[in-house]
Amino acid sequence: DARVTQTPRHKVTEMGQEVTMRCQPILGHNTVFWYRQTMMQGLELLAYFRNRAPLDDSGMPKDRFSAEMPDATLATLKIQPSEPRDSAVYFCASGGGEGFGSGNTIYFGEGSWLTVV
Amino acid sequence: DQQVKQNSPSLSVQEGRISILNCDYTNSMFDYFLWYKKYPAEGPTFLISISSIKDKNEDGRFTVFLNKSAKHLSLHIVPSQPGDSAVYFCAASSWGKLIFGQGTELSVKP
Repeated sequence: DARVTQTPRHKVTEMGQEVTMRCQPILGHNTVFWYRQTMMQGLELLAYFRNRAPLDDSGMPKDRFSAEMPDATLATLKIQPSEPRDSAVYFCASGGGEGFGSGNTIYFGEGSWLTVV
Repeated sequence: DQQVKQNSPSLSVQEGRISILNCDYTNSMFDYFLWYKKYPAEGPTFLISISSIKDKNEDGRFTVFLNKSAKHLSLHIVPSQPGDSAVYFCAASSWGKLIFGQGTELSVKP
């Protein structure tokens, strides 16, 4: 049963601490997205990668957020330093592979629930 | 700048009746539109999609309508069932990049 796996599922941290969220996309998928769910913005696109290369990270606060794909099976989203306003659910999604485009659906993980106190 | 907007945060309908969820977009470059459904504590799951070259796509109880001139799409659920109660997200795609709306929480009452 192929699925997108995210860790941790829940994280409570103190303001100023570094937070790293990890995502394992579905095997063979070459496009990976990071979204943040908030009440006001809904599902907000933070960044996305194709074939491990970042295509768009304009939705991400550059001063404290960073996203990488060290290899095809791992995507990371890091917040340093974390702030209370970063509290949200962070979703990873993947789609693919060759020829992936607008008509293709993407598959979401179960999310990482982050609380910064 | 919200490129995809769902202006109704919530909708309540009676079981068996029609549910109509609406979505507006601003970017005419979007070429596919999708609806996702989300239950609490789960990730969104794909429901139905439509290409920009079509005006209607139907899958069982779910139908999506696209009005390109108005930059508007809607999802119709007929008949609505209590199990349809969830948050519904509209999404628009351009070159594989998906932009989502704020979501509409649908409650179907028995």
